[in-house]
Amino acid sequence: GQNIDQPTEMTATEGAIVQINCTYQTSGFNGLFWYQQHAGEAPTFLSYNVLDGLEEKGRFSSFLSRSKGYSYLLLKELQMKDSASYLCAVSRSGNTPLVFGKGTRLSVIA
Amino acid sequence: KAGVTQTPRYLIKTRGQQVTLSCSPISGHRSVSWYQQTPGQGLQFLFEYFSETQRNKGNFPGRFSGRQFSNSRSEMNVSTLELGDSALYLCASSLEVGGGYTFGSGTRLTVV
Repeated sequence: GQNIDQPTEMTATEGAIVQINCTYQTSGFNGLFWYQQHAGEAPTFLSYNVLDGLEEKGRFSSFLSRSKGYSYLLLKELQMKDSASYLCAVSRSGNTPLVFGKGTRLSVIA
Repeated sequence: KAGVTQTPRYLIKTRGQQVTLSCSPISGHRSVSWYQQTPGQGLQFLFEYFSETQRNKGNFPGRFSGRQFSNSRSEMNVSTLELGDSALYLCASSLEVGGGYTFGSGTRLTVV
């Protein structure tokens, strides 16, 4: 089977940096997605990591370690609009659907 | 280009009724996946269609069914609704099975 864990909730201050972790146990791992979902809205794509290492995209960066089954999403210079749920999802081989973690609800406070 | 379109956005149904939700994928996307999202369980996979064929199915009872048409539009149907079916139903399209998803805005179903 597969198991994806991420913290349920996190709180951080405007302007700060926050790291949202995701650990996974799965067979046939291909890559890992991060999505952002504001309350009442659809999830939107943030990043996709296939190889080990850090990928930076503006204020957001995503890291993957395949050997450790671990990923994190790093958000810098937090803004109030970053308050949302962040979902990690694993892509597996064999034409199978994405498997999502339960999401981390991030609250950015002043 | 147009995104993924789901209709209706909101729906209120009574226990025992049935409901049909619709999803139009991004043009050129042939894979459509359906997920149920609830606060406690997160996104739970329902089924995935590719070229009118169901390629994958999640662990939901037979009351949940779906289909895909030749133009890649998809519908899902829930029969004999239960209170626990109240959720946000999300449709996602991708170029291929298991590829990166683009989600629709979802249909929020409330069963009373």
